[in-house]
Amino acid sequence: DGGITQSPKYLFRKEGQNVTLSCEQNLNHDAMYWYRQDPGQGLRLIYYSQIVNDFQKGDIAEGYSVSREKKESFPLTVTSAQKNPTAFYLCASSPDRSSYNEQFFGPGTRLTVL
Amino acid sequence: AQSVAQPEDQVNVAEGNPLTVKCTYSVSGNPYLFWYVQYPNRGLQFLLKYITGDNLVKGSYGFEAEFNKSQTSFHLKKPSALVSDSALYFCAVRDLDSNYQLIWGAGTKLIIKP
Repeated sequence: DGGITQSPKYLFRKEGQNVTLSCEQNLNHDAMYWYRQDPGQGLRLIYYSQIVNDFQKGDIAEGYSVSREKKESFPLTVTSAQKNPTAFYLCASSPDRSSYNEQFFGPGTRLTVL
Repeated sequence: AQSVAQPEDQVNVAEGNPLTVKCTYSVSGNPYLFWYVQYPNRGLQFLLKYITGDNLVKGSYGFEAEFNKSQTSFHLKKPSALVSDSALYFCAVRDLDSNYQLIWGAGTKLIIKP
């Protein structure tokens, strides 16, 4: 099956810990994205990558980091600098950054800070 | 600044009745508009998009949307609602001024009652 996988589905973090969320796609898409979803709000863009070894900050990048060493993988690290990390995190991909392409989403990771 | 608004937090419809979920947008050029659906604790699924051409766009699961340039709207519609249509619906517009990123509405919760 083609698609996007995210792991883990649920993640619990203690104060001061860094955690890494996994995102893998086998759609051969060039572009990948990380979003944060909070109740009652639309999706907010954290980081995006249009090609391997390149990525750009989105609207709320502070306290987060990413890497894009392989086309199919775009992991997100939530660092201890992120003050309020409890949220639902969504990874997405699209064939390229063309404006007419829709994005394909993974199932999400729910992160809770204890 | 480009923006998208979903004026209703929640829409309640009886099963079998027509449904409408509203979306209005503000862009500086030609809008590229998208609708997505999200079921509880899941990722988003693409429903349909308007890029150019016919103002009535047909999508997945019997949904359609009408692009109205004069009213800057892109309302989602379905002639006969199903209980299984109950979900969170997001409208998004492509931001051509910000490296082609999507701007998201806050979402509308659709509840279909038997």
